[in-house]
Amino acid sequence: EVQLVESGGGLVQPGGSLRLSCAASGFTFSDHFMDWVRQGPERGLEWIARIRNKAASYSIEYAPSVKGRFSISRDDSKNTLFLQMNSLKIEDTAVYFCTRDRSGAADSWGQGTLVTVSS
Amino acid sequence: VVMTQSPLSLPVTLGQPASISCRSSQSLERSDGNTYLSWFQQRPGQSPRRLIYRLSNRESGVPDRFSGSGSGSDFTLKISRVEAEDVGVYYCMQSSYWQSGGNFGQGTKLEIK
Repeated sequence: EVQLVESGGGLVQPGGSLRLSCAASGFTFSDHFMDWVRQGPERGLEWIARIRNKAASYSIEYAPSVKGRFSISRDDSKNTLFLQMNSLKIEDTAVYFCTRDRSGAADSWGQGTLVTVSS
Repeated sequence: VVMTQSPLSLPVTLGQPASISCRSSQSLERSDGNTYLSWFQQRPGQSPRRLIYRLSNRESGVPDRFSGSGSGSDFTLKISRVEAEDVGVYYCMQSSYWQSGGNFGQGTKLEIK
């Protein structure tokens, strides 16, 4: 069974930093592209970052809203996806989901981890 | 690419059909012949779940009352007979072009009348 378990969320002040992790199991993690998607309070889904697999040179994409502040990475030896979030803003408050790509889009989602940016 | 869904709210009587429209600001058909348009369902308090991928392929375990169709920049999710468990928010998402974000539609909230 595919499992994605996010951790690392919490309360942080504006301008602060946070590092999210996503532990993957039940599939060959290194084969897949992985994404982070977030959902603000009472809001829709927003894709924010993608990292491809080794065969695709671990290439990365970011949404404009986080580019330059967030950094996605992966450790295939530990089946773990990361999201380093710097210069956090109040509008970054959201539940952050780790997702696995299959056939071109996210087919598996974690339960999400809540990030609250507030003073 | 901007994805626009309609309606944003969809009250439906149990057993009746439902239809959600999704339009993209440019054609999603790629040179490989695929159209990378997916549909997701998010039930209250749950993580999203993929229903349809690559325009019309139903995810394993998804009831056959759900179907996806369309072409180019105009897409539709249809539910042939709405059941109580279908309540939630439905999102379309394009993955033909990974650029500039904006990959999800705004969401359509389906509720039972």
